[in-house]
Amino acid sequence: KAGVTQTPRYLIKTRGQQVTLSCSPISGHRSVSWYQQTPGQGLQFLFEYFSETQRNKGNFPGRFSGRQFSNSRSEMNVSTLELGDSALYLCASSLRQGFGTEAFFGQGTRLTVV
Amino acid sequence: KQEVTQIPAALSVPEGENLVLNCSFTDSAIYNLQWFRQDPGKGLTSLLLIQSSQREQTSGRLNASLDKSSGRSTLYIAASQPGDSATYLCAVPWEDTDKLIFGTGTRLQVFP
Repeated sequence: KAGVTQTPRYLIKTRGQQVTLSCSPISGHRSVSWYQQTPGQGLQFLFEYFSETQRNKGNFPGRFSGRQFSNSRSEMNVSTLELGDSALYLCASSLRQGFGTEAFFGQGTRLTVV
Repeated sequence: KQEVTQIPAALSVPEGENLVLNCSFTDSAIYNLQWFRQDPGKGLTSLLLIQSSQREQTSGRLNASLDKSSGRSTLYIAASQPGDSATYLCAVPWEDTDKLIFGTGTRLQVFP
């Protein structure tokens, strides 16, 4: 069965631009979470979605937003990009929300802001 | 506030050694603990998930234990191989959500 698919794998953007990243969860999984990974901060939680509703949000500015569609696919958007937004963005999917469900991650999208 | 720490931060061993990686968490009220492996520039691969009611979980040469009362988990890797070289991360969910709180990882290098 297919794993979590993130597109695109690599992106180079200029400061001030905006970007949209996509995540397709494992078939049947309804929960999607997003994380930012940087060498200095490690893995930081961005959002959690279940049944098209945002259930949790991490401590990131409003420039970071996301959504989930009825087929459980999710997108995240970063507006007015800053150099510090350069990171590996990872998406995880779970069968259902919480209560000990195993998380499966995609290969990530490497965003470079120049 | 849940905090997760991992020691050591880095480990370099010759092939064939048995290894123990440590993960500590401050709040023992967890639903599960998950161990992941990450190769450079890649995503996370789930290795083992231990539910709060379990003490151990095994997969091949990997064995993970969980002691909730002391806030600790260990990942034991038997007969290490160069292909085991990667960063190993442990994570616990925040309350009953899918938000994972990660440790800072242990970077493992196994040399031939």
